[in-house]
Amino acid sequence: EADIYQTPRYLVIGTGKKITLECSQTMGHDKMYWYQQDPGMELHLIHYSYGVNSTEKGDLSSESTVSRIRTEHFPLTLESARPSHTSQYLCASSESLDASAGEQYFGPGTRLTVT
Amino acid sequence: KNQVEQSPQSLIILEGKNCTLQCNYTVSPFSNLRWYKQDTGRGPVSLTIMTFSENTKSNGRYTATLDADTKQSSLHITASQLSDSASYICVVSDRGSTLGRLYFGRGTQLTVWP
Repeated sequence: EADIYQTPRYLVIGTGKKITLECSQTMGHDKMYWYQQDPGMELHLIHYSYGVNSTEKGDLSSESTVSRIRTEHFPLTLESARPSHTSQYLCASSESLDASAGEQYFGPGTRLTVT
Repeated sequence: KNQVEQSPQSLIILEGKNCTLQCNYTVSPFSNLRWYKQDTGRGPVSLTIMTFSENTKSNGRYTATLDADTKQSSLHITASQLSDSASYICVVSDRGSTLGRLYFGRGTQLTVWP
């Protein structure tokens, strides 16, 4: 199993709260990703990073922000949670900077529910 | 438009039976195709990855095929087990942009009954 971790696994929070979803990996990978997945739907890339101090927006527009201060850590923050943010958030990492090459290793995900 | 379509959307089979899941894609230029298994409440785990020149690839009871001419792939599961119950996701990557990107299917939800 891949050494990539996400916390919390489940989070139920009220509208307007600020939340941070944690993601860390111990494989030394430079490239990291955040995906959003709704039930029965495909994964959508919302953020990625090539390495420390690098962050890019993905294909799906998201109100979340990310930071990459350390190689192993790639947290995602929502400043003001809304019910539309309810979803599963998956973090991933890969050895290669080229998304088409090599494996992507996924964390277990965070199931976020905003009430 | 680059797309990945999977069928069936869901499938129920009895333990011990075989099944085949389908994936059609329009992604171009093609780089590789991957099959992932995603258990409920977990992240996807890679089963196989195939490049343009590979027609078949096996991983235990899982065998993936690729026809790059017709842009179709299949995942065959032999002698199914209860633990095979999961969503199986087809992912195709391109080589169009400088550093590639992945296109995800919606998955086939497989349920294996005892």
